[in-house]
Amino acid sequence: GQSLEQPSEVTAVEGAIVQINCTYQTSGFYGLSWYQQHDGGAPTFLSYNGLDGLEETGRFSSFLSRSDSYGYLLLQELQMKDSASYFCAVNYQLIWGAGTKLIIKP
Amino acid sequence: DAGVIQSPRHEVTEMGQEVTLRCKPISGHDYLFWYRQTMMRGLELLIYFNNNVPIDDSGMPEDRFSAKMPNASFSTLKIQPSEPRDSAVYFCASGAGTGDEKLFFGSGTQLSVL
Repeated sequence: GQSLEQPSEVTAVEGAIVQINCTYQTSGFYGLSWYQQHDGGAPTFLSYNGLDGLEETGRFSSFLSRSDSYGYLLLQELQMKDSASYFCAVNYQLIWGAGTKLIIKP
Repeated sequence: DAGVIQSPRHEVTEMGQEVTLRCKPISGHDYLFWYRQTMMRGLELLIYFNNNVPIDDSGMPEDRFSAKMPNASFSTLKIQPSEPRDSAVYFCASGAGTGDEKLFFGSGTQLSVL
């Protein structure tokens, strides 16, 4: 079967750095995307990795290792507004992880 | 552009009734997706279209669900008859398919079937 694994919850302190991991098992792989969703809101696109390596977008970075079937989202200089759920998705957003709830403490 | 527009925002109906959810994608986007989100099952892809043609509907739960895209600016998801287990948030999303896999989501429809 096809699946994505990510932690259900991560806690961090404001101003710190946090990494959210995602491992995948798919038949065929075309790319890994990350989305943010605040409570009551819709998912919003953060980042995409089609090739191995690091993609940086402001405070957010995403990494992919195709050989390890693994990726992560790195959030730096955490702000309270970053409290949300973060989802990884693969293959044109056909398969989604269950989401990681990020809790940020002051 | 106003983004992806979904209607209604909230729908409360009784079991057995027909429900129609509507979506207007971003102009120029070739891909349209319908997702369902619940606490138990997370975000599930129901169906997606490319240039108004359904490509993969393997996520549609059963024959009670149907989706159409009569033109590039409009899509519907219909549930007939509705059941309490259909209660969820239904999202529509569109994308340009330019290679960065960026999807834009509508605000969703909160469906409650009593």
